[in-house]
Amino acid sequence: EVHLVESGGGLVQPGGSLRLSCAASGFTFRNFEMNWVRQAPGKGPEWVSYISTTGTSIYYADSVKGRFTISRDNGRNSLYLQMNSLRAEDTAIYYCASARYCNGGQCYVGIGDYWGQGTLVTVSS
Amino acid sequence: IVLTQSPGTLSLSPGERATLSCRASQSVTSDKLAWYQQKPGQAPRLLIYGASSRATDIPDRFIGTGSGTDFSLTISRLEPEDFAVYYCQQYVPSPPWTFGQGTRVEIK
Repeated sequence: EVHLVESGGGLVQPGGSLRLSCAASGFTFRNFEMNWVRQAPGKGPEWVSYISTTGTSIYYADSVKGRFTISRDNGRNSLYLQMNSLRAEDTAIYYCASARYCNGGQCYVGIGDYWGQGTLVTVSS
Repeated sequence: IVLTQSPGTLSLSPGERATLSCRASQSVTSDKLAWYQQKPGQAPRLLIYGASSRATDIPDRFIGTGSGTDFSLTISRLEPEDFAVYYCQQYVPSPPWTFGQGTRVEIK
């Protein structure tokens, strides 16, 4: 059974930092591109960042570029998000999610059916 | 690409048909448009990819149509478990990827 378990969320003051982790199991993590997606209270999901299987290709949303850093450790089946210079508008549930979906022998990058339960990040003084 | 979903809320009864719309600000390459369902306290669940293909184990009452800039999700006959929020997402070859703001399907 597939599991993605996020950790590291919490309450932080504006300008502070947090490091989110996502532990993967039940699938071959090293073969899957991964996303971080966040969802502010009462809002739709927002894609935050993408990392390729080897970590050589990385993208960020403009809203977090220069402040957040995505990384992965395939040996530890783990995904990370380092968040610096946090702002009130970064308050959200942060999900790690697979960014590869395969069906009928074809695979599609950018969507996924493996999601964690999310970890809440609250930026407030 | 900005995705605009309508209506914001649909109030329907079990057994009725639901039609949700997702309009893109520019053409979505190769119809790389997905639909997700989200229930309270849960992560989104992939329903439809490639505008019209159902994901694994998704019932055939969920029907995705459309191309270019106009897409729809139809639930042919609402079951009690279908009352939820639905989001569209574009996943064109290179990020940034975007989601719509959602349509809530509620029990009338």
